[in-house]
Amino acid sequence: DIQMTQSPSALSASVGDRVTITCRASQTISTYLSWYQQKPGKAPELLIYAASTLQSGVPSRFSGSGFGTDFTLTISSLQPEDFATYYCQQSYSTRTFGQGTKVEIK
Amino acid sequence: EVQLVESGGGLVQPGGSLRLSCAASGFTFSSYWMSWVRQAPGKGLEWVANIKQDGTENYYVDSVKGRFTISRDNAKNSLYLQMNSLRAEDTAVYYCARENAVTNMGWYFDLWGRGTLVTVSS
Repeated sequence: DIQMTQSPSALSASVGDRVTITCRASQTISTYLSWYQQKPGKAPELLIYAASTLQSGVPSRFSGSGFGTDFTLTISSLQPEDFATYYCQQSYSTRTFGQGTKVEIK
Repeated sequence: EVQLVESGGGLVQPGGSLRLSCAASGFTFSSYWMSWVRQAPGKGLEWVANIKQDGTENYYVDSVKGRFTISRDNAKNSLYLQMNSLRAEDTAVYYCARENAVTNMGWYFDLWGRGTLVTVSS
């Protein structure tokens, strides 16, 4: 089974900060990587798919990159509505999520 | 409106059974792989199972193999999850999710329901 490891598990940041979250796969997954945002009590929402493709309607301050085993999600300028938990997910072999990264207000 | 609506959650005793349903609307249900994803209280997301468009293929996370069965009825635009031999660790919100894909670049969940809570407790 493919394991997904996110880092950090949590971070504190201020509005306007540049935030980067990393996701590492236990084996190569090409570009079979997606990112989701989840707010408390809500279902997850898709941000990025195929490692770097922005889902329609998602603000351009979100971006994704990576190939193989190492991936990043970047928020170029953190907005108040971006405080949430973020998950990566691989689809190269069945489906696996990372453990999540909680982005909190500093 | 394009949406997924789950139902069937509730309180069940350990060892018991429950059947979850997911009603799809606003899109061609029979054209998509579908998944169940769960989230234990205060924990992260865990993919549970998925099923091919015509129901001929399905896959499960190891922890539910032999206990859970995913199925679908394309005529009713519905997805199901039959859960047997339930354990306390199956307690979670269960989400129904639509899978979409980019050829040779990956699959992703682009539509989610609001979830239904399953509590396994005596």
